Amino acid sequence: NAGVTQTPKFRILKIGQSMTLQCAQDMNHNYMYWYRQDPGMGLKLIYYSVGAGITDKGEVPNGYNVSRSTTEDFPLRLELAAPSQTSVYFCASSSPGAGNTIYFGEGSWLTVV
Amino acid sequence: AQKVTQAQTEISVVEKEDVTLDCVYETRDTTYYLFWYKQPPSGELVFLIRRNSFDEQNEISGRYSWNFQKSTSSFNFTITASQVVDSAVYFCALSEAKWGYGNKLVFGAGTILRVKS
Repeated sequence: NAGVTQTPKFRILKIGQSMTLQCAQDMNHNYMYWYRQDPGMGLKLIYYSVGAGITDKGEVPNGYNVSRSTTEDFPLRLELAAPSQTSVYFCASSSPGAGNTIYFGEGSWLTVV
Repeated sequence: AQKVTQAQTEISVVEKEDVTLDCVYETRDTTYYLFWYKQPPSGELVFLIRRNSFDEQNEISGRYSWNFQKSTSSFNFTITASQVVDSAVYFCALSEAKWGYGNKLVFGAGTILRVKS
């Protein structure tokens, strides 16, 4: 029952450092997503992918990069971390098709100091 | 552009009271999907329900029920006989219905529900 697995769960970064949030799903879902959740706010889409080798920007892509070399994995890269990137990051996946349910990972808490 | 508004920032009730969480959405699409997710204090997001724009039937699942009214662009969520375990943040979300473009969700800001014993 793994579903969507994110690592690490918690991380503290210094300003200017870089890191990669890992995401893997075992449901053979073509679609994958990265969202961020700021305190008291709903989730906002950073990047998404409709299949291996295909990625596209969401609402808040600045400061992030993604790649999708396999169906299972969708890592999110933070370059030159800034305090504004302090947030909770959620990876998610869904099967193809309009309106299919999106399943979320447990979240990664990132603090940039 | 799509938008979801959850006007209630926080609601506090006493156990066994009924509570309704409001959700109003905006979209130009004629076909779309609406979702509710629960985020308990542990932080994960739990899927509760999905509704497409052509299905206006109300849904009941145990103590949970949903009222979808296309005429008022609302998709409200009612918990009957609330319990302490219902304490969580509840999110309403909207997704367009376009094949090949991913099921991108637009979220409301969430409603914090506190159920006191």
